[in-house]
Amino acid sequence: TQLLEQSPQFLSIQEGENLTVYCNSSSVFSSLQWYRQEPGEGPVLLVTVVTGGEVKKLKRLTFQFGDARKDSSLHITAAQTGDTGLYLCADTNAGGTSYGKLTFGQGTILTVHP
Amino acid sequence: NAGVTQTPKFQVLKTGQSMTLQCAQDMNHEYMSWYRQDPGMGLRLIHYSVGAGITDQGEVPNGYNVSRSTTEDFPLRLLSAAPSQTSVYFCASRGTGANVLTFGAGSRLTVL
Repeated sequence: TQLLEQSPQFLSIQEGENLTVYCNSSSVFSSLQWYRQEPGEGPVLLVTVVTGGEVKKLKRLTFQFGDARKDSSLHITAAQTGDTGLYLCADTNAGGTSYGKLTFGQGTILTVHP
Repeated sequence: NAGVTQTPKFQVLKTGQSMTLQCAQDMNHEYMSWYRQDPGMGLRLIHYSVGAGITDQGEVPNGYNVSRSTTEDFPLRLLSAAPSQTSVYFCASRGTGANVLTFGAGSRLTVL
């Protein structure tokens, strides 16, 4: 059974600071997705990374996929209060097709203070 | 707005009661799934469906039943609720193309 570990579990920072969240897997990812979830809402997909070493940018968010495809990081530059939320990584289990079956990490709760 | 609709948003049950969480999507997605979210444990897959009439178990299926009589609807049934089923439940769907899940807003269930 694949295990996804996210760190840190909690992160509390001031607006304008930079931060990095990590996701490590006990086995190679099929492909990896990062989600952001706000209170009272469902997760929303931020990005999908597929290739080892891949880097994707989404405005102030930078996503890296490890060369061995067993780890990933999410870096936020100059955090804003609107970045507050739960960040989840997930393996798509897409060996054949995932049918919507994802394996999630336990999440990182980010709080950005004004 | 198009998307995944879950009802009810909140529910309190007593141990042993039964109930159904409703999930409907209007995007003509083939794949639908149910997850539960507990503090410190991320989301865990309960059941999923690859099309009308086809369902299968996920990681934590015990205590839950599902059926998929139409493409649009995927209800989750708790036959005899237990306190361990206190959780937030999310329904999700995706089409056969891009691997993008669309989640509902969740249903918070408390079992006393």
